Amino acid sequence: KAGVTQTPRYLIKTRGQQVTLSCSPISGHRSVSWYQQTPGQGLQFLFEYFSETQRNKGNFPGRFSGRQFSNSRSEMNVSTLELGDSALYLCASSLVPEGNQPQHFGDGTRLSIL
Amino acid sequence: TQLLEQSPQFLSIQEGENLTVYCNSSSVFSSLQWYRQEPGEGPVLLVTVVTGGEVKKLKRLTFQFGDARKDSSLHITAAQPGDTGLYLCAGAPGSARQLTFGSGTQLTVLP
Repeated sequence: KAGVTQTPRYLIKTRGQQVTLSCSPISGHRSVSWYQQTPGQGLQFLFEYFSETQRNKGNFPGRFSGRQFSNSRSEMNVSTLELGDSALYLCASSLVPEGNQPQHFGDGTRLSIL
Repeated sequence: TQLLEQSPQFLSIQEGENLTVYCNSSSVFSSLQWYRQEPGEGPVLLVTVVTGGEVKKLKRLTFQFGDARKDSSLHITAAQPGDTGLYLCAGAPGSARQLTFGSGTQLTVLP
């Protein structure tokens, strides 16, 4: 079956702009999590959505937000982009939102801020 | 301080050598997961260890969960260039509701 799909794969923006990233989970998976990956900080949890509700949020500023649609697809938005937002943004899906559920990752969106 | 500390951070070895990667914490985990991430791709789940002292084998990869469920190791026998990648351990300590990932071990196997 199709895996987790993230679009776009690459994105270049300038400081102050905003960006929206999209994630389509594996069919039947209702939980979607977002992570930021950088060389210095590793994989850091952003937030998790289940049944269109944010269930968990990591330690990121309010500029980072997300939502989930009724078909479980999810988007994340970053406003007022900063240079430090340059990173690989990964989306992962799982059947249910339990802490130990295996995560199925997409290949990420590489965001570069100029 | 990372909840899950991985060591070494970087490892470069020759094809055919053996290696061990460690994942340590002061917290107790009900289970730990290991992922491998290749360049340009997302992490892929390799294994989940659940029981203290458990050993799981996946071809040349051997995973062990510590008796106290605070640490885990990954041993690769006769490493091959295809084993190159970033190895990540992850777990949800106690009643935590989301996974925490270790900082990763970047493995390079030279032909």
